[in-house]
Amino acid sequence: KQEVTQIPAALSVPEGENLVLNCSFTDSAIYNLQWFRQDPGKGLTSLLLIQSSQREQTSGRLNASLDKSSGRSTLYIAASQPGDSATYLCAAPSGAGSYQLTFGKGTKLSVIP
Amino acid sequence: KAGVTQTPRYLIKTRGQQVTLSCSPISGHRSVSWYQQTPGQGLQFLFEYFSETQRNKGNFPGRFSGRQFSNSRSEMNVSTLELGDSALYLCASSLRDSQETQYFGPGTRLLVL
Repeated sequence: KQEVTQIPAALSVPEGENLVLNCSFTDSAIYNLQWFRQDPGKGLTSLLLIQSSQREQTSGRLNASLDKSSGRSTLYIAASQPGDSATYLCAAPSGAGSYQLTFGKGTKLSVIP
Repeated sequence: KAGVTQTPRYLIKTRGQQVTLSCSPISGHRSVSWYQQTPGQGLQFLFEYFSETQRNKGNFPGRFSGRQFSNSRSEMNVSTLELGDSALYLCASSLRDSQETQYFGPGTRLLVL
């Protein structure tokens, strides 16, 4: 059974700082991992999807990496802005060939102006 | 291209009642997944449909059911509502399965009194 853990649960940083969010998973037989953002009371917005063959994926100020052997993924946010304040969730397939995703409980990020 | 839409956005029901939630995926998407989100448990997978067939079901009681129509729209039904069913219900769509980017709707917030 896939388990996804995100540490820390909450993070507060001053504007402009670079930061890293962590995600770990127990079943490394995955073909991809996804990062999402959720604003309060809203649905999820997909940020990045990393295929197991890619190891890294970039979109603007965001960079996500995937290390299957260690069961870890990181989301790097450069030059953080107050608009980046949200909850960030990672999700991994629940097993080889599974059609469902297992989500971590998220990291709530606050960027202080 | 229109995003994933969910109706209704908010619902208040009483214990014992039943409720039906609707999800319209992005045009051309054939996979629809449903998730329940609560502060304590986070996002939990309910079920996934593809071409009117349920391919995966999460660990929820039989009171939770769903279906998908030929136009890929999906509904989920919860019968005999309990207080613990109060949650944000999210649906996500993708072209084929969870190997692809999942696009989430805004959710339906259900309050059971």
